[in-house]
Amino acid sequence: GIQVEQSPPDLILQEGANSTLRCNFSDSVNNLQWFHQNPWGQLINLFYIPSGTKQNGRLSATTVATERYSLLYISSSQTTDSGVYFCAVERYFGWGSQGNLIFGKGTKLSVKP
Amino acid sequence: NAGVTQTPKFRVLKTGQSMTLLCAQDMNHEYMYWYRQDPGMGLRLIHYSVGEGTTAKGEVPDGYNVSRLKKQNFLLGLESAAPSQTSVYFCASSYRSRGTSYEQYFGPGTRLTVT
Repeated sequence: GIQVEQSPPDLILQEGANSTLRCNFSDSVNNLQWFHQNPWGQLINLFYIPSGTKQNGRLSATTVATERYSLLYISSSQTTDSGVYFCAVERYFGWGSQGNLIFGKGTKLSVKP
Repeated sequence: NAGVTQTPKFRVLKTGQSMTLLCAQDMNHEYMYWYRQDPGMGLRLIHYSVGEGTTAKGEVPDGYNVSRLKKQNFLLGLESAAPSQTSVYFCASSYRSRGTSYEQYFGPGTRLTVT
C-alpha cells in the first residue's frame, strides 16, 4: 500500500519561530489533508490540498503532487500551535475508490513560551 | 450545522461486554468512515460505508461490526470487547463525485477503555 512519511517526528520551537513540516508519499494521490491534533485529542482540519498552495492566517501548505510531497509552514508560532500534525492521503484508484485516508505517524510540535 | 457528532465521548467496558458507538452527520455525505487511533500513531480505518445500506471492511476490521441504516448515521459495534480494543475512535464523512475525493470531516472522537 501507499507509504506516508512525515518529518521531523519531533520539533521543539521557541514562541515566534517559524517551521516547516514535510510529508512524503509513495504513490499518486486523490486527496491530501493536513490535521492538527490538539492536546485534548481533537482532530482539526487544517488544509485539504491534493495539489497547489493554500494559506490560512499564519499557516500555509504546498503540495507538489508530481514529486509526491507536501509541506506545511507555520509562521510566528504560538504555544497554542502545540500538538501533533498529521498528513493523510488517499491513494488514487480512479472510479470506485473507497476513499479512506492513510495517515502518517505525525510530527509532534512543542512551542515553548 | 453540527458537522460530525459522536456519542458517547467516553466509555469504560469490561472484557466481554458489548457496546455501540453512534456517529451522525448533517452534511448529506454519502461516504462515512470509522477509524481508530492508538497511542503514538496515526488513524487506521476499521470499516467504511459508501452509502445507505452498504458497508465494507477497512484495514483493521476484526472484532467490529457496522451498520448504515440511515444516510446520516453510521454505527460501530463491539460484540465482545477485548483490552486490545482500548483506543480512541473517530468517525468521519465526506462527499465524493465521479471518483473525485473531497475533504473528510472528523468527529470529536470516543475514548474507549476495556479492562
